[in-house]
Amino acid sequence: AQSVTQLGSHVSVSEGALVLLRCNYSSSVPPYLFWYVQYPNQGLQLLLKYTTGATLVKGINGFEAEFKKSETSFHLTKPSAHMSDAAEYFCAVSDPPGANNLFFGTGTRLTVIP
Amino acid sequence: GAVVSQHPSRVICKSGTSVKIECRSLDFQATTMFWYRQFPKQSLMLMATSNEGSKATYEQGVEKDKFLINHASLTLSTLTVTSAHPEDSSFYICSAPEATTTDTQYFGPGTRLTVL
Repeated sequence: AQSVTQLGSHVSVSEGALVLLRCNYSSSVPPYLFWYVQYPNQGLQLLLKYTTGATLVKGINGFEAEFKKSETSFHLTKPSAHMSDAAEYFCAVSDPPGANNLFFGTGTRLTVIP
Repeated sequence: GAVVSQHPSRVICKSGTSVKIECRSLDFQATTMFWYRQFPKQSLMLMATSNEGSKATYEQGVEKDKFLINHASLTLSTLTVTSAHPEDSSFYICSAPEATTTDTQYFGPGTRLTVL
């Protein structure tokens, strides 16, 4: 069965520092990969996704993620954290690729320290 | 982007009663919607796929007689938790793809159910 692992349920960074949120998946066939962000009392919002093609994917709000097949990873990064980035981040995969149902990681809560 | 709403946002009910949660796509039609359940500090777990005009498809281990799903129109799916028990207390989230060919889901804000 497909599983998604997000290392670190809580990550704290200083404002202006690099943000790195980790995501690994288990699948013999590369799935489609997604990062969602959830602000308090709001629905999940798509940050970015990888389906095919270029492995470095750029998303909204300055976030990007790189698909590394050899490492079965899809880590999310942002060069400089902003206070407004504080939220819950979820990594998800669709397996088989293109299927509408998603498998989610447990989420990482990002705190940005002023 | 597309908007999905859920109602109510929070509900508290007594054990043994039934609770209905609505999921609406506000500015697009959705022939398929998905219902997820999220326990504290855990992943969102797919419960079922709601199909407009036909029966829902349930994931393994999800009781279809307990979690009734009705997708009566292209913009509305409902999840009814029947004979609710405290262990049904959870955060229920729905999602919908904007079109059948897209791989992007739009999520509702979720409904917090507490069963006393």
